[in-house]
Amino acid sequence: EVQLVESGGGLVQPGRSMKLSCAASGFTFSNYGMAWVRQAPTKGLEWVATISYDGSSTYYRDSVKGRFTISRDNAKSTLYLQMNSLRSEDTATYYCTRVGYDGYPLDYWGQGVMVTVSS
Amino acid sequence: DTVLTQSPALAVSPGERVSISCRASEGVNSYMHWYQQKPGQQPKLLIYKASNLASGVPARFSGSGSGTDFTLTIDPVEADDTATYFCQQSWNDPWTFGGGTKLELK
Repeated sequence: EVQLVESGGGLVQPGRSMKLSCAASGFTFSNYGMAWVRQAPTKGLEWVATISYDGSSTYYRDSVKGRFTISRDNAKSTLYLQMNSLRSEDTATYYCTRVGYDGYPLDYWGQGVMVTVSS
Repeated sequence: DTVLTQSPALAVSPGERVSISCRASEGVNSYMHWYQQKPGQQPKLLIYKASNLASGVPARFSGSGSGTDFTLTIDPVEADDTATYFCQQSWNDPWTFGGGTKLELK
């Protein structure tokens, strides 16, 4: 059974940093691209970043470029999101997702971790 | 960015057929996917690449469309289908989601 378990969220002040982790199991992690998607309270879904299966390619939405870094450790089957210079508009539930092969659907989602940016 | 437009809400009776639409501001080939999100839960993939049923999803769900106009159909609707449904495209960068359609049962 595919499982994605996020951790590392919480309350953080504007301008500070936070690192999210996602522990993957139930599949060969090193064979899949992975992505982070966020959802602000009572809002819709927003793609944040994607990383290729081997970590060689990364993609970001414009609003987080230069502030967020997606990375992975295939030996540990773990995905990361380093978030720097956090802003109030980054407040959201962050989901770890697996990128499927055929058309790149987000075929499995973690339960999500809440990040609140507030003073 | 590719804007995906969905109707905000629909209300149907159990046993009926419902179609949820998603219109893209530019072509996305067939790279459109549909997700179901129930309150307090993570989204779940229902349909990928416009018309392919994801693993474990009941055959009551189906998808159609290409280019800019896509439809998710549920037939027949069951009480458990109360949820918000999102479309998402992965053809153009950045990947974008529709605003979601909240399905309520009468």
